[in-house]
Amino acid sequence: SYELIQPPSVSVSPGQTARITCSGDALPRQYVSWFQQKSGQAPLLMIYKDNERPSGIPERFSGSSSGTTVTLTISGVQTEDEADYYCQSVDRTNSYRVFGGGTKLTVL
Amino acid sequence: QVHLQESGPGLVKPSETLSLNCSVSGGSASSASFYYNWIRQSPGKGLEWIGHIYSSGSSTYNPSLRSRVSISIDTSKKYFSLKMTSVTTADTAVYFCARKGGSRGEPLDYWGQGLLVTVSS
Repeated sequence: SYELIQPPSVSVSPGQTARITCSGDALPRQYVSWFQQKSGQAPLLMIYKDNERPSGIPERFSGSSSGTTVTLTISGVQTEDEADYYCQSVDRTNSYRVFGGGTKLTVL
Repeated sequence: QVHLQESGPGLVKPSETLSLNCSVSGGSASSASFYYNWIRQSPGKGLEWIGHIYSSGSSTYNPSLRSRVSISIDTSKKYFSLKMTSVTTADTAVYFCARKGGSRGEPLDYWGQGLLVTVSS
Protein backbone atom coordinates (compact mmCIF):
# COMPACT_ATOMS: atom_id res chain seq x y z
CA SER A 1 0.00 0.00 0.00
CA TYR A 2 1.05 3.57 -0.64
CA GLU A 3 2.75 5.47 2.19
CA LEU A 4 3.69 9.05 2.95
CA ILE A 5 6.77 9.26 5.15
CA GLN A 6 7.23 11.99 7.74
CA PRO A 7 9.84 12.36 10.50
CA PRO A 8 8.29 11.45 13.87
CA SER A 9 9.51 14.60 15.53
CA VAL A 10 11.04 18.02 14.92
CA SER A 11 12.27 20.38 17.62
CA VAL A 12 13.02 24.10 17.29
CA SER A 13 13.41 27.12 19.54
CA PRO A 14 10.95 30.02 19.36
CA GLY A 15 11.73 32.35 16.49
CA GLN A 16 13.60 29.71 14.50
CA THR A 17 12.44 28.03 11.28
CA ALA A 18 10.90 24.58 11.38
CA ARG A 19 10.83 22.36 8.32
CA ILE A 20 8.71 19.20 8.19
CA THR A 21 9.09 16.90 5.21
CA CYS A 22 6.73 14.41 3.61
CA SER A 23 7.95 11.90 1.04
CA GLY A 24 6.07 9.70 -1.39
CA ASP A 25 6.78 8.47 -4.89
CA ALA A 26 3.49 9.79 -6.29
CA LEU A 27 4.02 13.32 -4.99
CA PRO A 28 5.43 14.70 -8.28
CA ARG A 29 1.94 14.05 -9.72
CA GLN A 30 -0.35 14.62 -6.75
CA TYR A 31 -1.15 17.62 -4.57
CA VAL A 32 -0.43 17.64 -0.84
CA SER A 33 -2.31 19.23 2.03
CA TRP A 34 -0.91 19.89 5.50
CA PHE A 35 -2.94 19.75 8.71
CA GLN A 36 -2.15 20.94 12.22
CA GLN A 37 -3.68 19.00 15.10
CA LYS A 38 -3.54 20.07 18.71
CA SER A 39 -4.45 17.72 21.53
CA GLY A 40 -8.14 16.91 21.63
CA GLN A 41 -8.95 18.93 18.53
CA ALA A 42 -9.87 18.17 14.95
CA PRO A 43 -7.17 18.68 12.32
CA LEU A 44 -6.91 22.20 10.89
CA LEU A 45 -6.03 22.77 7.24
CA MET A 46 -2.83 24.83 6.98
CA ILE A 47 -1.68 24.34 3.36
CA TYR A 48 -3.33 22.82 0.26
CA LYS A 49 -2.25 22.24 -3.34
CA ASP A 50 1.33 22.01 -2.04
CA ASN A 51 1.72 25.72 -1.31
CA GLU A 52 -1.66 27.47 -1.06
CA ARG A 53 -2.63 28.94 2.30
CA PRO A 54 -6.31 29.12 3.35
CA SER A 55 -7.61 32.44 4.59
CA GLY A 56 -6.86 32.99 8.26
CA ILE A 57 -3.68 30.92 8.31
CA PRO A 58 -0.63 33.00 9.31
CA GLU A 59 1.88 33.84 6.60
CA ARG A 60 4.66 32.14 8.55
CA PHE A 61 3.24 28.83 7.30
CA SER A 62 4.33 27.94 3.76
CA GLY A 63 4.64 24.85 1.60
CA SER A 64 7.00 23.78 -1.16
CA SER A 65 7.54 20.79 -3.36
CA SER A 66 10.58 19.20 -4.96
CA GLY A 67 10.34 15.85 -6.67
CA THR A 68 9.08 13.18 -4.30
CA THR A 69 9.30 15.41 -1.21
CA VAL A 70 7.10 18.23 -0.03
CA THR A 71 8.00 20.49 2.86
CA LEU A 72 5.98 22.49 5.36
CA THR A 73 8.01 25.46 6.56
CA ILE A 74 7.12 27.47 9.64
CA SER A 75 9.13 30.68 9.82
CA GLY A 76 9.55 32.43 13.15
CA VAL A 77 8.03 29.54 15.10
CA GLN A 78 5.83 30.52 18.02
CA THR A 79 5.03 28.45 21.10
CA GLU A 80 1.42 28.15 19.90
CA ASP A 81 2.68 26.24 16.84
CA GLU A 82 3.55 23.23 18.99
CA ALA A 83 1.31 20.48 17.62
CA ASP A 84 1.19 17.37 15.44
CA TYR A 85 1.40 18.00 11.71
CA TYR A 86 0.11 15.62 9.04
CA CYS A 87 0.60 15.64 5.29
CA GLN A 88 -2.15 14.19 3.11
CA SER A 89 -2.32 13.25 -0.53
CA VAL A 90 -3.71 10.52 -2.78
CA ASP A 91 -2.22 7.25 -3.90
CA ARG A 92 -0.61 6.43 -7.26
CA THR A 93 -3.99 5.55 -8.82
CA ASN A 94 -5.61 8.78 -7.59
CA SER A 95 -8.24 6.69 -5.84
CA TYR A 96 -7.48 6.66 -2.12
CA ARG A 97 -6.60 9.44 0.27
CA VAL A 98 -3.51 8.84 2.38
CA PHE A 99 -2.12 10.55 5.47
CA GLY A 100 1.48 10.67 6.55
CA GLY A 101 2.31 9.23 9.94
CA GLY A 102 2.48 12.68 11.52
CA THR A 103 5.28 14.83 12.93
CA LYS A 104 5.27 16.15 16.46
CA LEU A 105 6.63 19.69 16.49
CA THR A 106 8.15 20.65 19.82
CA VAL A 107 8.94 24.30 20.51
CA LEU A 108 11.67 24.27 23.12
CA GLN B 1 -20.26 28.81 7.16
CA VAL B 2 -20.22 25.04 6.70
CA HIS B 3 -20.51 22.97 9.87
CA LEU B 4 -20.15 19.20 10.22
CA GLN B 5 -21.18 17.26 13.33
CA GLU B 6 -20.72 13.56 14.07
CA SER B 7 -23.29 11.65 16.08
CA GLY B 8 -23.80 8.08 17.20
CA PRO B 9 -23.13 5.69 20.07
CA GLY B 10 -19.91 6.13 21.98
CA LEU B 11 -19.77 2.46 22.93
CA VAL B 12 -20.10 -0.55 20.63
CA LYS B 13 -19.70 -4.22 21.52
CA PRO B 14 -17.16 -6.41 19.72
CA SER B 15 -18.55 -8.15 16.59
CA GLU B 16 -21.39 -5.63 16.33
CA THR B 17 -21.91 -2.87 13.75
CA LEU B 18 -20.73 0.69 14.31
CA SER B 19 -23.11 3.28 12.84
CA LEU B 20 -22.33 6.99 12.75
CA ASN B 21 -23.96 9.99 11.12
CA CYS B 22 -22.47 13.31 10.05
CA SER B 23 -24.83 16.25 9.71
CA VAL B 24 -23.92 18.98 7.25
CA SER B 25 -25.19 22.49 7.84
CA GLY B 26 -24.47 25.63 5.93
CA GLY B 27 -24.71 23.57 2.75
CA SER B 28 -26.55 20.40 1.82
CA ALA B 29 -24.81 17.04 1.68
CA SER B 30 -26.41 16.66 -1.73
CA SER B 31 -25.58 20.02 -3.24
CA ALA B 32 -22.78 20.99 -5.59
CA SER B 33 -19.93 18.52 -6.06
CA PHE B 34 -18.29 17.46 -2.86
CA TYR B 35 -16.65 14.39 -1.41
CA TYR B 36 -17.82 13.54 2.10
CA ASN B 37 -15.19 11.65 4.04
CA TRP B 38 -14.79 9.57 7.16
CA ILE B 39 -11.41 9.56 8.90
CA ARG B 40 -10.44 7.99 12.19
CA GLN B 41 -7.66 8.28 14.75
CA SER B 42 -6.88 5.51 17.20
CA PRO B 43 -5.72 6.68 20.65
CA GLY B 44 -2.23 8.12 20.41
CA LYS B 45 -1.98 7.27 16.71
CA GLY B 46 -2.16 9.06 13.37
CA LEU B 47 -5.01 9.79 11.00
CA GLU B 48 -6.47 6.99 8.87
CA TRP B 49 -8.73 7.66 5.91
CA ILE B 50 -11.75 5.31 5.93
CA GLY B 51 -13.50 6.33 2.73
CA HIS B 52 -15.66 8.90 1.01
CA ILE B 53 -18.90 9.32 -0.86
CA TYR B 54 -19.40 11.76 -3.71
CA SER B 55 -22.47 13.98 -3.90
CA SER B 56 -23.75 11.70 -6.69
CA GLY B 57 -23.65 8.71 -4.34
CA SER B 58 -20.58 6.87 -5.60
CA SER B 59 -18.20 5.76 -2.85
CA THR B 60 -14.58 4.68 -2.44
CA TYR B 61 -13.08 2.92 0.57
CA ASN B 62 -9.67 2.34 2.08
CA PRO B 63 -8.67 -1.11 0.76
CA SER B 64 -7.74 -2.22 4.28
CA LEU B 65 -11.32 -1.60 5.50
CA ARG B 66 -13.33 -2.10 2.32
CA SER B 67 -14.83 -5.46 3.31
CA ARG B 68 -16.39 -4.01 6.50
CA VAL B 69 -17.29 -0.43 5.60
CA SER B 70 -20.08 1.32 3.76
CA ILE B 71 -20.84 5.03 3.42
CA SER B 72 -24.20 6.38 2.38
CA ILE B 73 -25.70 9.82 1.88
CA ASP B 74 -29.19 11.08 2.69
CA THR B 75 -29.95 13.86 0.26
CA SER B 76 -33.15 14.96 1.95
CA LYS B 77 -31.88 15.15 5.50
CA LYS B 78 -28.51 16.73 4.87
CA TYR B 79 -26.33 14.03 6.38
CA PHE B 80 -24.11 11.12 5.44
CA SER B 81 -23.43 7.93 7.33
CA LEU B 82 -20.78 5.34 8.11
CA LYS B 83 -21.40 1.68 8.87
CA MET B 84 -18.59 -0.61 9.94
CA THR B 85 -19.36 -4.25 10.59
CA SER B 86 -17.71 -6.85 12.84
CA VAL B 87 -15.87 -4.30 14.95
CA THR B 88 -13.03 -5.23 17.27
CA THR B 89 -11.13 -3.33 19.93
CA ALA B 90 -8.78 -2.19 17.15
CA ASP B 91 -11.65 -0.04 15.83
CA THR B 92 -11.66 2.06 18.99
CA ALA B 93 -10.90 5.56 17.74
CA VAL B 94 -12.06 9.13 17.34
CA TYR B 95 -14.09 9.23 14.14
CA PHE B 96 -14.09 12.46 12.12
CA CYS B 97 -16.23 13.44 9.17
CA ALA B 98 -14.83 15.95 6.68
CA ARG B 99 -15.74 17.59 3.39
CA LYS B 100 -13.60 17.97 0.28
CA GLY B 101 -14.35 19.95 -2.84
CA GLY B 102 -15.00 18.07 -6.05
CA SER B 103 -12.09 19.41 -8.10
CA ARG B 104 -8.57 17.97 -8.16
CA GLY B 105 -6.42 19.27 -5.36
CA GLU B 106 -9.23 20.73 -3.33
CA PRO B 107 -8.58 19.91 0.31
CA LEU B 108 -10.43 18.46 3.25
CA ASP B 109 -11.44 21.92 4.34
CA TYR B 110 -14.24 21.41 6.85
CA TRP B 111 -14.09 18.84 9.65
CA GLY B 112 -16.40 17.77 12.43
CA GLN B 113 -15.10 17.93 15.99
CA GLY B 114 -14.77 14.15 16.16
CA LEU B 115 -16.58 11.44 18.12
CA LEU B 116 -14.85 8.90 20.34
CA VAL B 117 -16.13 5.39 19.74
CA THR B 118 -14.99 2.70 22.13
CA VAL B 119 -15.34 -0.97 21.24
CA SER B 120 -15.70 -2.96 24.43
CA SER B 121 -17.91 -5.63 25.94
